Amino acid sequence: NAGVTQTPKFQVLKTGQSMTLQCAQDMNHEYMSWYRQDPGMGLRLIHYSVGAGITDQGEVPNGYNVSRSTTEDFPLRLLSAAPSQTSVYFCASSKGYNEQFFGPGTRLTVL
Amino acid sequence: AQSVSQHNHHVILSEAASLELGCNYSYGGTVNLFWYVQYPGQHLQLLLKYFSGDPLVKGIKGFEAEFIKSKFSFNLRKPSVQWSDTAEYFCAAKNTGTASKLTFGTGTRLQVTL
Repeated sequence: NAGVTQTPKFQVLKTGQSMTLQCAQDMNHEYMSWYRQDPGMGLRLIHYSVGAGITDQGEVPNGYNVSRSTTEDFPLRLLSAAPSQTSVYFCASSKGYNEQFFGPGTRLTVL
Repeated sequence: AQSVSQHNHHVILSEAASLELGCNYSYGGTVNLFWYVQYPGQHLQLLLKYFSGDPLVKGIKGFEAEFIKSKFSFNLRKPSVQWSDTAEYFCAAKNTGTASKLTFGTGTRLQVTL
């Protein structure tokens, strides 16, 4: 099993550009989440999904969209990037109510 | 509001010293508790978890944590740290019976010196 994979590892955007961060898992986990990690703030939940076709907002959803068309994939879309979205983004998945497994992260810089 | 607090932001220890990192949570209902570790440049890995039963939980790499319900605490301990334990440690919590809405503390950066 590859576990949770994320692409790209690094990305630099200009303000106003859009992009999609990819996340995939091969563990047949129904739950998937996106977090952002900022210095001194821990990880904050952006969006999550409890299964294909079902998504919901987390703590900091503004400026981000998600969709879940398959169990395996959970992409995160930045609609119009802003410098405040400079962060490290982690995707995670879990089976049932168990612990979450994290991907390697995407480091995003918005200029 | 649900929250997790880690009061130690940066801890510096010498090798072989004992470690205790504090974690307090504020949650309604019953909770599941976790400690994750993030080594430099890497993703988060689970150290240990508490769901129910014995409040003293043993995890990987010699770490343990004790759930004290009356104090709303879940402190992480290790009797003797190694240089390789240098990392950032995150406490996290969620309500029992939920999956994706995990709340993290702000993290504690542990630096172990030789």
